[in-house]
Amino acid sequence: EPEVTQTPSHQVTQMGQEVILRCVPISNHLYFYWYRQILGQKVEFLVSFYNNEISEKSEIFDDQFSVERPDGSNFTLKIRSTKLEDSAMYFCASSVTRRETQYFGPGTRLLVL
Amino acid sequence: GIQVEQSPPDLILQEGANSTLRCNFSDSVNNLQWFHQNPWGQLINLFYIPSGTKQNGRLSATTVATERYSLLYISSSQTTDSGVYFCAVVRDFGNEKLTFGTGTRLTIIP
Repeated sequence: EPEVTQTPSHQVTQMGQEVILRCVPISNHLYFYWYRQILGQKVEFLVSFYNNEISEKSEIFDDQFSVERPDGSNFTLKIRSTKLEDSAMYFCASSVTRRETQYFGPGTRLLVL
Repeated sequence: GIQVEQSPPDLILQEGANSTLRCNFSDSVNNLQWFHQNPWGQLINLFYIPSGTKQNGRLSATTVATERYSLLYISSSQTTDSGVYFCAVVRDFGNEKLTFGTGTRLTIIP
């Protein structure tokens, strides 16, 4: 069964550094998403992406965040200048259409020191 | 935005017991998903169920969209069922983001 993959599984970085989280969505899916989960809290939506542009973003997704689909398979989340409060599990997800099942990757656990 | 409430927040059961988890939401939805978050933090899809009833082995789910709630049933619990169960919805009318509930933490004791 096809699945969403994410790399790296864990990343430790220093405050102020840039990080890029990578995702490979399921191949025939058209909608891509990033969510995050701060330890012990619920999962929160960051951004959705369709047809090579952002279709929706939350108030969390400020100027330090960006997303890109650099080629036909990868979908990336860049955090330009990391803060301590960016420490969280970041999940990528994809779906065929906006109303169908969103399939989640295994997550990248980001720790900012 | 849409509110998603789950109950109970915590549930401790003996192996073999049955359980019912509830998800209430405050607006009409076009997507409702149930997830199991395992001890490694992975979100495992259980059901896509914006309405109706589905079953998968020992798990089943029912969503009554007109009354804005969904139920997840787990029968004959096993220790591997332990973890946090999340309900997540997409509000109707032009939205595509999943809004998650705060989860139910299920602990199955051998």
